[in-house]
Amino acid sequence: QITLKESGPTLVKPTQTLTLTCTFSGFSLRTSGVGVGWIRQPPGKALEWLALIYWDDDKRYSPSLNNRLTITKDTSKNQVVLEMTNMDPVDTATYYCVYRPSSLGSGWYSAWGQGTLVTVSS
Amino acid sequence: QSVLTQPPSVSGAPGQRVTISCTGSSSNIGEGYDVHWYQQFPGTAPKLLIYRNNNRPSGVPDRFSGSKSGTSASLAITGLQAEDEADYYCQSYDNSFVVFGGGTKLTVL
Repeated sequence: QITLKESGPTLVKPTQTLTLTCTFSGFSLRTSGVGVGWIRQPPGKALEWLALIYWDDDKRYSPSLNNRLTITKDTSKNQVVLEMTNMDPVDTATYYCVYRPSSLGSGWYSAWGQGTLVTVSS
Repeated sequence: QSVLTQPPSVSGAPGQRVTISCTGSSSNIGEGYDVHWYQQFPGTAPKLLIYRNNNRPSGVPDRFSGSKSGTSASLAITGLQAEDEADYYCQSYDNSFVVFGGGTKLTVL
């Protein structure tokens, strides 16, 4: 059974850097083709894809947020970390950690963490 | 504004069939990228409902089905049940980046 859990601050101030950690189990990020990513959802709004890191350390970022995001992995700890710089109140959202199984072509997200609500406010 | 367009809401009576459309363009669905669907209940994380256009993960009832044609995709729900009331999102790729639809709220009358 695959599980993912997000951890990090629930409140950050504008201009600060947000650091979120995803701790997962049930799979290995050493397995060819798999990936772990982040998706967020502002209150009452749609899902927005942020970033993805693959087993081989290939990284992909949302074009609109590319210069603010950094995703890294620690395979030995089964963790993936997302950093988002220069936080703004519009970044207030529930942030989800997601699992992308190995697949050819357009990938999907077959497991989701419970999500963590991050509020940006002074 | 989402790259993939979904109707904000749809509704149907128990037992009926409803469809939710996901309209894209030549740079995403029309380019040949697969479409996936997620179901989300209030206050909970989304759950994968359909992957690769028309495949159901284990445990998803066969009342749910997906299709894709041209620059659009659809999710169909037959034998509508009260517990199907939720938000539904389509997902694909656009120029190799993941994109979502704006979501559709399904109300069971």
